[in-house]
Amino acid sequence: DGGITQSPKYLFRKEGQNVTLSCEQNLNHDAMYWYRQDPGQGLRLIYYSQIVNDFQKGDIAEGYSVSREKKESFPLTVTSAQKNPTAFYLCASRHRTGTGNKNTIYFGEGSWLTVV
Amino acid sequence: AQSVTQPDIHITVSEGASLELRCNYSYGATPYLFWYVQSPGQGLQLLLKYFSGDTLVQGIKGFEAEFKRSQSSFNLRKPSVHWSDAAEYFCAVEGNDMRFGAGTRLTVKP
Repeated sequence: DGGITQSPKYLFRKEGQNVTLSCEQNLNHDAMYWYRQDPGQGLRLIYYSQIVNDFQKGDIAEGYSVSREKKESFPLTVTSAQKNPTAFYLCASRHRTGTGNKNTIYFGEGSWLTVV
Repeated sequence: AQSVTQPDIHITVSEGASLELRCNYSYGATPYLFWYVQSPGQGLQLLLKYFSGDTLVQGIKGFEAEFKRSQSSFNLRKPSVHWSDAAEYFCAVEGNDMRFGAGTRLTVKP
């Protein structure tokens, strides 16, 4: 089945440690996104990528890094510089056609990251 | 940049009652608008979307939403709520990128 796969579902990070969240999609989507979700704050955009080998910072990019070496993969690294990383992380993707972003954005099931 | 406001953080309705979740947006051009639903610990599922045309759009699970340009609103409605509708609901607006509201948590009383 086509979809977006995030792994791991649950991840624990020690202070000062970098961790990487995986996001893979087999939908042949051009654009991919990472959002962070905290209780009562909705979704905040961390990074997004419209095409391979290109990505842009969102609203809360500090302390995070990404890469887009392949169309189907958009991993997110939470670095030690991110002082409050405990949150629910959502990866999303969609087609990008023409000059507009009219296509529906689809979400993965999310990853829980907890600092211990 | 565009923005979305969901004025109600938490709403409680009785099963079988009608529901309206409010969404107001800010964007200079014609927006693309979406409603998503999220069950606890899960990703977001698209309920419906508005791009153009008829301002009343039908979605899955019996939901509908009406785009009102004069009020910059895109409220979500359902005539009769089921217990399984209890979840978090997010409104989103597409402009230069996708922006989400803070969400409205729906509780359904038996």
